[in-house]
Amino acid sequence: DAMVIQNPRYQVTQFGKPVTLSCSQTLNHNVMYWYQQKSSQAPKLLFHYYDKDFNNEADTPDNFQSRRPNTSFCFLDIRSPGLGDAAMYLCATSRVGREDSYEQYFGPGTRLTVT
Amino acid sequence: AQSVTQLGSHVSVSEGALVLLRCNYSSSVPPYLFWYVQYPNQGLQLLLKYTSAATLVKGINGFEAEFKKSETSFHLTKPSAHMSDAAEYFCAVTNTGNQFYFGTGTSLTVIP
Repeated sequence: DAMVIQNPRYQVTQFGKPVTLSCSQTLNHNVMYWYQQKSSQAPKLLFHYYDKDFNNEADTPDNFQSRRPNTSFCFLDIRSPGLGDAAMYLCATSRVGREDSYEQYFGPGTRLTVT
Repeated sequence: AQSVTQLGSHVSVSEGALVLLRCNYSSSVPPYLFWYVQYPNQGLQLLLKYTSAATLVKGINGFEAEFKKSETSFHLTKPSAHMSDAAEYFCAVTNTGNQFYFGTGTSLTVIP
């Protein structure tokens, strides 16, 4: 049943230690997104993949990278996490090209703690 | 350019009372509009969406929203609040299905 899966649900990393968050989808959607959400704030788009095309938001720090090796999987790499990177990271998918499918499906999120 | 404004970052209602969460949008072309709900430590769940069909849209859990082009609004309503409705609600807009813009969210508290 699960459509957008994020692993792990909770991740603890040390300051400066690289960490990778994982997202997979069973919807065969062509667009995958990564959002950062801090407490009591709206999700902030970091980047998205439209098929294999990577689209970075202008204000996304270089510390954040992403990989999409195939349609189903997308990874968020944080090269050197700082305390300010502690947040909920949300993965979402959508299918562009069919207007009746213009909606995003979200995963449950990964709560990142930086110690 | 597109944007979404949610008036009222916190709304409190009594159980059984009307829920009204406000959303106004700015879009240069006909938009697609969405309401999402988020419970603590969970992802966003779609409540309902407007995609240029009927202007009154019914969603899950008894919620509905009306698209009013003249007012550039897409307010979310529910006739009778339930304790389980307490959550964070986000309005979002897109016109491409590629880029989505979220409002800052409204935290709904339901008072027993």
